[in-house]
Amino acid sequence: EDQVTQSPEALRLQEGESSSLNCSYTVSGLRGLFWYRQDPGKGPEFLFTLYSAGEEKEKERLKATLTKKESFLHITAPKPEDSATYLCAVQARSGNTDKLIFGTGTRLQVFP
Amino acid sequence: DSGVTQTPKHLITATGQRVTLRCSPRSGDLSVYWYQQSLDQGLQFLIQYYNGEERAKGNILERFSAQQFPDLHSELNLSSLELGDSALYFCASNALVTDTQYFGPGTRLTVL
Repeated sequence: EDQVTQSPEALRLQEGESSSLNCSYTVSGLRGLFWYRQDPGKGPEFLFTLYSAGEEKEKERLKATLTKKESFLHITAPKPEDSATYLCAVQARSGNTDKLIFGTGTRLQVFP
Repeated sequence: DSGVTQTPKHLITATGQRVTLRCSPRSGDLSVYWYQQSLDQGLQFLIQYYNGEERAKGNILERFSAQQFPDLHSELNLSSLELGDSALYFCASNALVTDTQYFGPGTRLTVL
């Protein structure tokens, strides 16, 4: 069964304290892995798409990497405005379409 | 702003009632997806439409139904509402099923 697991569930960081969020997955035929950021009560905001092992993407203080079994979202020198829930989703083929399977997210809090 | 719009933002209703949620996809996007997000669960895929036709079904209850109109906007109908249907409902869209899904701001449904 296709599955996405994110860890940790919650993470508290001091401003400037770098860390990584993990997304491990089991899926038959990965077609893409997505990272989204979600603020409370808002819709998920797209961050990155990764397609193959070894691929890396960067945006400001965020860097996403992908291996054959997991993805990491590295946060370098975070700021309080980086506080949010970060969602990982894998795209897999299902019948005649693709489906997104989401993890339950990592809730990040960055304190000044 | 993702370009996906949803109305209403908030909806409060009573058990047993029926409601309709509306979604307008990004300009040019043919696919619309509906998701449910409860406090105790992650984003759960409900249903997908592509250019007016149902393409995939996820964990959608029989009390729920959806449709996509010729102008590509979509409506999600929820009937015989129960307390457990209280959740955030998100719509997402993309041009091709292999593309990144962009999410709307969501509708918060409260069933009393």
